[in-house]
Amino acid sequence: SQTIHQWPATLVQPVGSPLSLECTVEGTSNPNLYWYRQAAGRGLQLLFYSVGIGQISSEVPQNLSASRPQDRQFILSSKKLLLSDSGFYLCACPGLGGDEQFFGPGTRLTVL
Amino acid sequence: GQSLEQPSEVTAVEGAIVQINCTYQTSGFYGLSWYQQHDGGAPTFLSYNALDGLEETGRFSSFLSRSDSYGYLLLQELQMKDSASYFCAVRVFNTDKLIFGTGTRLQVFP
Repeated sequence: SQTIHQWPATLVQPVGSPLSLECTVEGTSNPNLYWYRQAAGRGLQLLFYSVGIGQISSEVPQNLSASRPQDRQFILSSKKLLLSDSGFYLCACPGLGGDEQFFGPGTRLTVL
Repeated sequence: GQSLEQPSEVTAVEGAIVQINCTYQTSGFYGLSWYQQHDGGAPTFLSYNALDGLEETGRFSSFLSRSDSYGYLLLQELQMKDSASYFCAVRVFNTDKLIFGTGTRLQVFP
């Protein structure tokens, strides 16, 4: 079965500081990978998705970027965090059943 | 663009039946999915409707009507543990993107 690891689990960062969130996937090869953000009490917003190494599609203009250096690794970064970057960041890949999306445990980011 | 609207909150008592609606405006999609998310946790997949009609999985059922641009999740024999947020989602044609609804917070009371 698939497993998605995300770290750190929680993070508190000052405004203007850099960010690096990591996601690694086990139990599947060459998966599509996704980064979502969820603001408190809100829905899920798709930020980036990747269909392969080095291939990144951005869904919304923002000060975040993503990279996929390895098949099963997806990284979300920022050079300077904004207050509005606070939220719950979720990495996901297609489920083994094909119809569903499988989510990692998430990283809760608070920007102060 | 695509949008999926859900009621923001629904309340019910243990043992009751509740229906969470999802109305959408999207040009085309493969199917309608439902996800459950407990506070502080990640969303987990519940059900998928590729075709119109009712899909049943235990206490949960999901319905899709493409002609009405409408779907719903039906939860029967509610339990306290069903208190969570529920999201509908669609995978848009010719993309690998999943678009989520606004989410419904379900509170089950004893």
